[in-house]
Amino acid sequence: TQLLEQSPQFLSIQEGENLTVYCNSSSVFSSLQWYRQEPGEGPVLLVTVVTGGEVKKLKRLTFQFGDARKDSSLHITAAQPGDTGLYLCAGGGNKLVFGAGTILRVKS
Amino acid sequence: GAVVSQHPSWVICKSGTSVKIECRSLDFQATTMFWYRQFPKQSLMLMATSNEGSKATYEQGVEKDKFLINHASLTLSTLTVTSAHPEDSSFYICSANRQGSGSPLHFGNGTRLTVT
Repeated sequence: TQLLEQSPQFLSIQEGENLTVYCNSSSVFSSLQWYRQEPGEGPVLLVTVVTGGEVKKLKRLTFQFGDARKDSSLHITAAQPGDTGLYLCAGGGNKLVFGAGTILRVKS
Repeated sequence: GAVVSQHPSWVICKSGTSVKIECRSLDFQATTMFWYRQFPKQSLMLMATSNEGSKATYEQGVEKDKFLINHASLTLSTLTVTSAHPEDSSFYICSANRQGSGSPLHFGNGTRLTVT
């Protein structure tokens, strides 16, 4: 069974600070996805990384896929209150395996 | 706009009653849909895979008689929580992807079930 370990589980920071969320596994994934979820809503896809070593940027968010395709990271630069939410990494094709999630709270 | 619609968005029911949740793919056909359960501030836990025209595949530990899944058409899957109890209170989410496209999953907005 493929497992994804996500850390940290909770992050509370001030507006303007940078942060990184990690997603690690002992298994190789053909792709990994990052989602953001707000309370009472379904997850919304942020990005899919496919190639080992790939780096994708989405405004202030930078996503990296490890060379061995076993890990990924999400880095947010100059976090804003609107970034607050639950961030989830997931992999494994249609039958997704989710990490435990990172609750991010950005205080103004 | 939303490509997967889930209904209702919230429901309150009494213990012992059954509740049906619908998941529809709006502009595409989905031979497979997935049902998840999520507890507050936790990740999504896959409950079952809904297969159009055949029986659903349940994950270990999920009672198939408790959580009835029907996927009667290529655009609709339903999850019925039978004889609901307070411990069934949770956030239920479905997902689907476009048939054969290899695209990522699209998620519904979830259903908040509260059993009193």
